[in-house]
Amino acid sequence: DQQVKQNSPSLSVQEGRISILNCDYTNSMFDYFLWYKKYPAEGPTFLISISSIKDKNEDGRFTVFLNKSAKHLSLHIVPSQPGDSAVYFCAASGAGGTSYGKLTFGQGTILTVHP
Amino acid sequence: ETGVTQTPRHLVMGMTNKKSLKCEQHLGHNAMYWYKQSAKKPLELMFVYNFKEQTENNSVPSRFSPECPNSSHLFLHLHTLQPEDSALYLCASSRARGRGNTEAFFGQGTRLTVV
Repeated sequence: DQQVKQNSPSLSVQEGRISILNCDYTNSMFDYFLWYKKYPAEGPTFLISISSIKDKNEDGRFTVFLNKSAKHLSLHIVPSQPGDSAVYFCAASGAGGTSYGKLTFGQGTILTVHP
Repeated sequence: ETGVTQTPRHLVMGMTNKKSLKCEQHLGHNAMYWYKQSAKKPLELMFVYNFKEQTENNSVPSRFSPECPNSSHLFLHLHTLQPEDSALYLCASSRARGRGNTEAFFGQGTRLTVV
């Protein structure tokens, strides 16, 4: 039973437009959510996070929205750039864990930004 | 050198071999993790160490044996692996909970192929 789901395996966006990546979770004990970006042959790189006490967190071109009642979060990238093309992973922690690195990951969404 | 460093980056081993993966972090973190990413599957947590003590073993077969001699180093000893163990093995580190919000930092991973 997958507790964190990214239902879109891929997303294609034109440069300059907004990219919206979605993530759903089932475990109500999760209290900290993160987005990671991964290029081939590299480890995941942290992008942005949000605590469950907030509903929005913004960092430059990246904004994460959290809807706790719907158990849904999304990552908005605006404007999208070709260099943003990568695999994006949603992750969640909490659920009684003692470490921030104890993460449950989604399957990932491949984002392609076309020039 | 900063961040999380993993060696080797690539490893090919036979099913009867014994090898070790090494991870080192220079971030002052006190929690370290091993994750596994198999093809077309989400990253899966394998082991968690907090302050050098193993706090989680996510039902990992005994042919994978972790070792954490200090808070900066983590090893994964491999023996009698199977071809289905071929995957990307990722090390991560973070602060323990209760010490401020923080994300987990990942190494670049070891691409393991078992032949």
